[in-house]
Amino acid sequence: GQNIDQPTEMTATEGAIVQINCTYQTSGFNGLFWYQQHAGEAPTFLSYNVLDGLEEKGRFSSFLSRSKGYSYLLLKELQMKDSASYLCAVRPTGGGNKLTFGTGTQLKVEL
Amino acid sequence: EAGVTQSPTHLIKTRGQQATLRCSPISGHTSVYWYQQALGLGLQFLLWYDEGEERNRGNFPPRFSGRQFPNYSSELNVNALELEDSALYLCASSLLGNTEAFFGQGTRLTVV
Repeated sequence: GQNIDQPTEMTATEGAIVQINCTYQTSGFNGLFWYQQHAGEAPTFLSYNVLDGLEEKGRFSSFLSRSKGYSYLLLKELQMKDSASYLCAVRPTGGGNKLTFGTGTQLKVEL
Repeated sequence: EAGVTQSPTHLIKTRGQQATLRCSPISGHTSVYWYQQALGLGLQFLLWYDEGEERNRGNFPPRFSGRQFPNYSSELNVNALELEDSALYLCASSLLGNTEAFFGQGTRLTVV
């Protein structure tokens, strides 16, 4: 099976950088996804890692270490609109795009 | 291009009743996934359909079922509703294979 852990809540200041960590244990691994979800809205895709290393996409970057079962999402130049829940999800092998999600990290950006 | 659409947006049912939720995938997507997001919990995988067939099922009782139609739209049926079924039900679609999944806005089911 899969087990995914991420912090429940984080608070950061507008303009700062925040790193949201995610650790996972899985019997088969075929990629790790990060989604953003504002309250009452659909999750929206942020990033995807399948190989070790850093993927950069504007203000958002995601890192993966498969040997450590570890990923992080880095958000730079934080804006108030970045206040949302950030979901880490693992795709197992052989399951199409069936994803196993963590419970999400609620990020609050303050002035 | 239209995204994933779900209906209804909100649904209120009484315990013991049946609920039917609908999902239309992005045009060209053949795979549809259903997830349950209960308050305080992460998204839990329910069902995966592709080309009209059930491909995988999460750890949910048989009263959660569904189907996929020839136009790739999908229905999720929940029978004998229980209070614990109250949740946001999200549908996602993708192309079969290693591509990202796109989510709909969800159906908020409340069982009273």
